[in-house]
Amino acid sequence: RKEVEQDPGPFNVPEGATVAFNCTYSNSASQSFFWYRQDCRKEPKLLMSVYSSGNEDGRFTAQLNRASQYISLLIRDSKLSDSATYLCVVNRFNDYKLSFGAGTTVTVRA
Amino acid sequence: SQTIHQWPATLVQPVGSPLSLECTVEGTSNPNLYWYRQAAGRGLQLLFYSVGIGQISSEVPQNLSASRPQDRQFILSSKKLLLSDSGFYLCAWSGTSGLSTDTQYFGPGTRLTVL
Repeated sequence: RKEVEQDPGPFNVPEGATVAFNCTYSNSASQSFFWYRQDCRKEPKLLMSVYSSGNEDGRFTAQLNRASQYISLLIRDSKLSDSATYLCVVNRFNDYKLSFGAGTTVTVRA
Repeated sequence: SQTIHQWPATLVQPVGSPLSLECTVEGTSNPNLYWYRQAAGRGLQLLFYSVGIGQISSEVPQNLSASRPQDRQFILSSKKLLLSDSGFYLCAWSGTSGLSTDTQYFGPGTRLTVL
């Protein structure tokens, strides 16, 4: 079983729509959680860290469910510029190694 | 602010040729440094990480090696490239204490094609 699993998508949504997707992780000792965004042929960029209480950054909301071992990302009022692959990333505390999901592709159409 | 550089941006090399990719970080001291490879349509695979000068840990057996000759310089090398070495190579850095070790920041990457 992979450490981090994501629905690869693609999620094709119109501008202004809300899109949400999950990521599951297998290691219950995981303590740090992140969403990265990766544009085509570019490096991953940190979108947001995911805190246990859930957190919001503008149109982006991340939630963590430790009991079920999943993380979610919700994008409201989608923009064309939100089209990208979103990587779910998990780490154990003070462990140098991040575990990456293969990514969920989101395409926002006009 | 911290910045991370990688070069070259793209590289086309014949099978059996050597490889040297360089990564440098500015604006921070004693960072943890990482090399990843991303094959087409796949997730990132950690190749090496380093917690200090001369300290290299290898994650997977492979045709590649890494070195850290200076605090903020990380080099990925190969003596003889294989076709399977093609991919997108990413260098990353993180802090060295507590939660700062968790968040990694990536360089722009090197796209390597081995023919």
